[in-house]
Amino acid sequence: DTTVKQNPRYKLARVGKPVNLICSQTMNHDTMYWYQKKPNQAPKLLLFYYDKILNREADTFEKFQSSRPNNSFCSLYIGSAGLEYSAMYLCASSPGGVQNTLYFGAGTRLSVL
Amino acid sequence: GDSVTQTEGQVALSEEDFLTIHCNYSASGYPTLFWYVQYPGEGPQLLFRASRDKEKGSSRGFEATYDKGTTSFHLRKASVQESDSAVYYCALSDQNTEGADRLTFGKGTQLIIQP
Repeated sequence: DTTVKQNPRYKLARVGKPVNLICSQTMNHDTMYWYQKKPNQAPKLLLFYYDKILNREADTFEKFQSSRPNNSFCSLYIGSAGLEYSAMYLCASSPGGVQNTLYFGAGTRLSVL
Repeated sequence: GDSVTQTEGQVALSEEDFLTIHCNYSASGYPTLFWYVQYPGEGPQLLFRASRDKEKGSSRGFEATYDKGTTSFHLRKASVQESDSAVYYCALSDQNTEGADRLTFGKGTQLIIQP
């Protein structure tokens, strides 16, 4: 089974409120990633966990948090949502190392109002 | 930083047409190049990859050749089918990060095949 599951598929949030998105995988992959996709833009890497180590991209460092309580689960947390956070959020996993295939979930579409 | 530029927007073809989606990249090192495909309601999935100059990747009738001289990895298929309708992403991998493939994607190209 090469499935990455994301919940929920759609999420509505209010400006200023927190948002928590969930991702799970059962492939025992070492690395889990979060990407943000906006219309007419390329998917943008926000952060990734390699085992228990969190790596956040420099330009999104303060905007997103994440936790990985065990190998299978990873969350993406926005402390105070703004309109600019409206996007599709894609979670992915890979076995770790380099030149591996990333397995993506179907995404969570976040709308901030 | 690294970047990927691919055919923008939509490409509309009829069944059995020849397909080309252009992809050019800019990277400081020697990246691995990928094509991912995303069908409606699903996440992107790997179509194929290539790691060395002149290496050809292929899958499901699609192919692309790594060209370091022109920094290109153009996607081609000789005869498209309606089931090929999807969004196609060209991507490259930063190989300098322990434990992870940090992919840089292009904006994606939506392929629409009319029966």
